[in-house]
Amino acid sequence: EAGVAQSPRYKIIEKRQSVAFWCNPISGHATLYWYQQILGQGPKLLIQFQNNGVVDDSQLPKDRFSAERLKGVDSTLKIQPAKLEDSAVYLCASSLTGGGLGDYTFGSGTRLTVV
Amino acid sequence: SQQGEEDPQALSIQEGENATMNCSYKTSINNLQWYRQNSGRGLVHLILIRSNEREKHSGRLRVTLDTSKKSSSLLITASRAADTASYFCAAILRDNYGQNFVFGPGTRLSVLP
Repeated sequence: EAGVAQSPRYKIIEKRQSVAFWCNPISGHATLYWYQQILGQGPKLLIQFQNNGVVDDSQLPKDRFSAERLKGVDSTLKIQPAKLEDSAVYLCASSLTGGGLGDYTFGSGTRLTVV
Repeated sequence: SQQGEEDPQALSIQEGENATMNCSYKTSINNLQWYRQNSGRGLVHLILIRSNEREKHSGRLRVTLDTSKKSSSLLITASRAADTASYFCAAILRDNYGQNFVFGPGTRLSVLP
């Protein structure tokens, strides 16, 4: 079974520039999550999708972050404009049941450096 | 605020020794899960313990859960250098949105050969 695919693997941008990350979840997984993990900290949920609908985006900084999941499969996360404090690893995860049964699968993440 | 809070933040042991990590959380949970993260990689699910369970084993892993103290522990027995990683607990809450994961800051384990 293929895992959760994310790209790019690394990205370096200057502050105030824009950046987009892509995630392809495991086939058939209805729930998709984007997490932000700052160095030395645990992952923080940014947004959760159920198919192509948003379930929870309460911690998404909506003035600069946006995410979409068209057709309920792939998802993109965008930051516009980026700030220095956005430097982090952005993790995508998917699950079949909502993750509560331990079927959460993470991608390897995109490491963003804002300079 | 984070639900899962692991301690210690960092742990360094010799190969063959046991490693114990603790996690505390703040509100009622549906279940609690432990994850492992190698440097620069995504998180890998290790073990899940339900709120009505007290102890669970998986290979060299032993997890306990004390809902009265709102705490859990992860024990890795006979550690190996390959166990070097960060370990996170995730409190699985049930709220209006369904399952809601909240990860702690993690314990960085170093197993020295």
